[in-house]
Amino acid sequence: AQKITQTQPGMFVQEKEAVTLDCTYDTSDPSYGLFWYKQPSSGEMIFLIYQGSYDQQNATEGRYSLNFQKARKSANLVISASQLGDSAMYFCAMRGRGGGSNYKLTFGKGTLLTVNP
Amino acid sequence: DAGVIQSPRHEVTEMGQEVTLRCKPISGHDYLFWYRQTMMRGLELLIYFNNNVPIDDSGMPEDRFSAKMPNASFSTLKIQPSEPRDSAVYFCASSQGNQPQHFGDGTRLSIL
Repeated sequence: AQKITQTQPGMFVQEKEAVTLDCTYDTSDPSYGLFWYKQPSSGEMIFLIYQGSYDQQNATEGRYSLNFQKARKSANLVISASQLGDSAMYFCAMRGRGGGSNYKLTFGKGTLLTVNP
Repeated sequence: DAGVIQSPRHEVTEMGQEVTLRCKPISGHDYLFWYRQTMMRGLELLIYFNNNVPIDDSGMPEDRFSAKMPNASFSTLKIQPSEPRDSAVYFCASSQGNQPQHFGDGTRLSIL
């Protein structure tokens, strides 16, 4: 079974500062994928970034980067230069290697990020 | 390209009524997923399809829930009869192979 743990129910950051949202995972699959999604107050789920378990480098997408530490089973999201529009709930999710029932995403409980002006 | 389209955006109905949620996946995507989001249970997968065939329905809560995908561009999630505990936001998502899943805007369902 796969499990995602997000230990920070809420985080606050000043505009223009960087923030790290924590995510740890547990799986017995040798190959897996890790994802981060953003859910603003309007409710939609927005895909941000993906990291494969065998990727040699940490994933980056604009101001988002994923600090992947495989041995520690952590996949923290780093948002640089925070903006007011980054205020939202952030979910970490995991998927197995694919095939069979392994395409489903298992989500953490989320971290509510508030960016202060 | 158009994203995943869900309808209706909001649904309010009385207990015992039949509820049908609809989803149009992104064109070319071969996987379609139905998720439910509640405060108590968070985001959980209900069922998913590959090439219109249900692959894993282990998350469907009970027989009152059913899902179909008659073709590559349409899926429904039906609840009959509905109960107040079914109140939640229901998301449809689609993906191409093992690429990231893209979500629709969700249907906010309230059962009175």
